[in-house]
Amino acid sequence: KAGVTQTPRYLIKTRGQQVTLSCSPISGHRSVSWYQQTPGQGLQFLFEYFSETQRNKGNFPGRFSGRQFSNSRSEMNVSTLELGDSALYLCASSTGTTYNEQFFGPGTRLTVL
Amino acid sequence: AQSVTQLDSQVPVFEEAPVELRCNYSSSVSVYLFWYVQYPNQGLQLLLKYLSGSTLVKGINGFEAEFNKSQTSFHLRKPSVHISDTAEYFCAVTGFSSGGSNYKLTFGKGTLLTVNP
Repeated sequence: KAGVTQTPRYLIKTRGQQVTLSCSPISGHRSVSWYQQTPGQGLQFLFEYFSETQRNKGNFPGRFSGRQFSNSRSEMNVSTLELGDSALYLCASSTGTTYNEQFFGPGTRLTVL
Repeated sequence: AQSVTQLDSQVPVFEEAPVELRCNYSSSVSVYLFWYVQYPNQGLQLLLKYLSGSTLVKGINGFEAEFNKSQTSFHLRKPSVHISDTAEYFCAVTGFSSGGSNYKLTFGKGTLLTVNP
């Protein structure tokens, strides 16, 4: 089975711009979660989608949003970028069942200048 | 809510020595526990998981962990490390109750394991 794929792998943006990141889960997985990883804050949960519905949400401002399509692919959008949004954004997929074992993609490295 | 504490931010060891990476958690509900490894410029790879049953779980690359409910710990061990084990290791927890999982992983801050020749 192919793993979780994320595109693009690297991205450079300037403050005030917006960005969209994409994640394709493992075939058959219906849950996609997003995490932000920074040196200072570590790994922080952004949100989780299951069958096109946001099922859980972390403590991030409304500038961070996401969606999931009928084929389970997911996108994450960050509007009005700030310097502090520079991070590795990780996507993880899961079957969405009880024990929530998640499989991670390689991440998208976002740099905001 | 859950939280995870990884007691050591860095652990340097020599090759072929044993290692233990410590993890403690707190939760108001029952939990599933995981250890992930991250190599430079890569995503996270699952090393092992505790869901139920035997408290000693074995994972990939010779790693094992023991779940101790009374001490709310899930320490990771390897009897003999290799240079290739140099990486960052993350302990994670997800909570569940009769209503199901909370569907998010809460991670510790990570432990950088450096294996020296």
